[in-house]
Amino acid sequence: NAGVTQTPKFRVLKTGQSMTLLCAQDMNHEYMYWYRQDPGMGLRLIHYSVGEGTTAKGEVPDGYNVSRLKKQNFLLGLESAAPSQTSVYFCASSPGTAAKNIQYFGAGTRLSVL
Amino acid sequence: GENVEQHPSTLSVQEGDSAVIKCTYSDSASNYFPWYKQELGKRPQLIIDIRSNVGEKKDQRIAVTLNKTAKHFSLHITETQPEDSAVYFCAATYGNNRLAFGKGNQVVVIP
Repeated sequence: NAGVTQTPKFRVLKTGQSMTLLCAQDMNHEYMYWYRQDPGMGLRLIHYSVGEGTTAKGEVPDGYNVSRLKKQNFLLGLESAAPSQTSVYFCASSPGTAAKNIQYFGAGTRLSVL
Repeated sequence: GENVEQHPSTLSVQEGDSAVIKCTYSDSASNYFPWYKQELGKRPQLIIDIRSNVGEKKDQRIAVTLNKTAKHFSLHITETQPEDSAVYFCAATYGNNRLAFGKGNQVVVIP
């Protein structure tokens, strides 16, 4: 039982390049989330999903797209990377029920955009 | 949406002393308040949580208190140890099981 797995762990991009970050969970959780973490800013929600085939915008969605084609996977895409997107990205998942809304985090992806 | 404020931003304590971190939230509908610990270069990990129908919860050296009327909740760490040094994040739920996080507190335990 791996929990929440993120790939890749590190990536360096040039401005304008695109990439996809993959998040996979093996806990059969309904809800999945993408956050970015910047120094002094805490965790800010980019996009989230309440189930397979659904996505919704979070607090800072601009410049990102997401897809949830399979329940266990949540993909975060950057179509044209900008230096402002240099950050650490965390994926999380949650059972989604009111009684069990604990979020479990992946190990993070450190992204640098030059 | 929800707004969570965390104070102080940095807290230094002598080993063995207690540490207290306070958070305030804005959405009176919030009903779940977790605390996460993040060590340098690691993922945030849940250490304790509390629901709105409970005023206090303890787990060994860690406790959380909730004051719904004042909309604030606090993390208490007793008998601090060097391994308690980390960044601690509070959070509160809002619409559709989302969490709003505070900006984090750096706790430094001085041996």
